[in-house]
Amino acid sequence: GENVEQHPSTLSVQEGDSAVIKCTYSDSASNYFPWYKQELGKRPQLIIDIRSNVGEKKDQRIAVTLNKTAKHFSLHITETQPEDSAVYFCAAREGGGSEKLVFGKGMKLTVNP
Amino acid sequence: GAGVSQSPRYKVTKRGQDVALRCDPISGHVSLYWYRQALGQGPEFLTYFNYEAQQDKSGLPNDRFSAERPEGSISTLTIQRTEQRDSAMYRCASSPGYNEQFFGPGTRLTVL
Repeated sequence: GENVEQHPSTLSVQEGDSAVIKCTYSDSASNYFPWYKQELGKRPQLIIDIRSNVGEKKDQRIAVTLNKTAKHFSLHITETQPEDSAVYFCAAREGGGSEKLVFGKGMKLTVNP
Repeated sequence: GAGVSQSPRYKVTKRGQDVALRCDPISGHVSLYWYRQALGQGPEFLTYFNYEAQQDKSGLPNDRFSAERPEGSISTLTIQRTEQRDSAMYRCASSPGYNEQFFGPGTRLTVL
């Protein structure tokens, strides 16, 4: 089955800096990769996703890149703000027609004002 | 519009009791998923439905866990003979089709 590794587990940046979160996956048939943001005590919120037929997707200050050959994908946040502080989870959908998402262990981002 | 809702939000039960957790998906969403999330971890897949059909239950830990979605809308996750190791946040998510999954607020289960 699919295995998703996420690193680093914590990251602290100054407001205005960029942050990058990296994930690797094992199932070469995986074709959908969402990213979720989870604030303390809240539900995971989908912030951006990418499908395997594209290499990059942007939405304002966030972007996701996918390297299918290397089986890794990354989330980039530019011009970070204190409200970006949260735990970020990457996920990969198993191949073979499954709708099962396999999540990484999460990365806690702290943006210091 | 209304998001995914779950009830109860908190459930405290004694070891050996059965519990039923309810999920109300976003109206019209075809797919419904159950996950379990331990503190400091990502959601862990349990099972999912398309309409009323259970498509994959490979993530259910053992036969004490079961789920149903009889009319293709509301779903119930049942845990029989609860054990302390079952304590966790149980989250439901729904999707209009094949991709985006939207999570509910979760039910925090504590087994004493």
